[in-house]
Amino acid sequence: ETGVTQSPTHLIKTRGQQVTLRCSSQSGHNTVSWYQQALGQGPQFIFQYYREEENGRGNFPPRFSGLQFPNYSSELNVNALELDDSALYLCASSWGGVGKQETQYFGPGTRLLVL
Amino acid sequence: AQTVTQSQPEMSVQEAETVTLSCTYDTSESDYYLFWYKQPPSRQMILVIRQEAYKQQNATENRFSVNFQKAAKSFSLKISDSQLGDAAMYFCAFHTTGANNLFFGTGTRLTVIP
Repeated sequence: ETGVTQSPTHLIKTRGQQVTLRCSSQSGHNTVSWYQQALGQGPQFIFQYYREEENGRGNFPPRFSGLQFPNYSSELNVNALELDDSALYLCASSWGGVGKQETQYFGPGTRLLVL
Repeated sequence: AQTVTQSQPEMSVQEAETVTLSCTYDTSESDYYLFWYKQPPSRQMILVIRQEAYKQQNATENRFSVNFQKAAKSFSLKISDSQLGDAAMYFCAFHTTGANNLFFGTGTRLTVIP
C-alpha cells in the first residue's frame, strides 16, 4: 500500500508569483484535502476534492484553487503569492462517500517560502 | 462554532514514564470523530489514535490511550512507557460526520527526557 506523497518538498517563490503543489493520494482513497499550517499553528483547512469536484472550502480567498484528477491525485494552485502564504502545505487523503468521510492520512508536506 | 483547545503548549516526560496531554473541543453536533495526530520534526502528520463519539469505550493503541468524556467535551491522550521516539508535536483534531474538514488545536510539544 502506497502512502500519500507530495511534491516538491521545498519551494521558494517571490511575491506575486504563482505556485502549483502536487499530491498523490493513498491507494484506495478517493478524496483529497489540503491544509495550510503556519509556523507554530495547527493546520487550517483550505478545501477538499471528492470525485474531481470541490467538496467544501475553508476561509481562503479564490486565488487558492485546486484540481483533482481521475486517478484521485490533486493539485493546489496559489496565484498572486503573498508573504503570508509562507507555510507548510499538507495534503491528506481519505475514503469518502455521500455524507461520510473516513480518517484522513497525511503526506509529508511542501514547505513554501515567499520572499 | 467548531473549536479545539489544547491548553498545554509544552509538556515533558521522563523516558519510560507516563504523560497525559489535554484537549477540549466544542461542537453542537452529536456525531463526530476525534483524533490525535503526531507531527515529528520530519513534519509528516501521523495518526496516533481515533475515537468515534458514539462509542463509550475509550480507544487504545498499544501504549497510547484516550480518556473521552463526551459530556465535558474532553479528549485527553495518555502515553505510557514514553520512548524517545514519542518526542513530537501532538495535535488534537475532530470532524463531524459527513464534514469535509478536520478542526485542529494549536498543538502540544512533547519532550522526552532520557
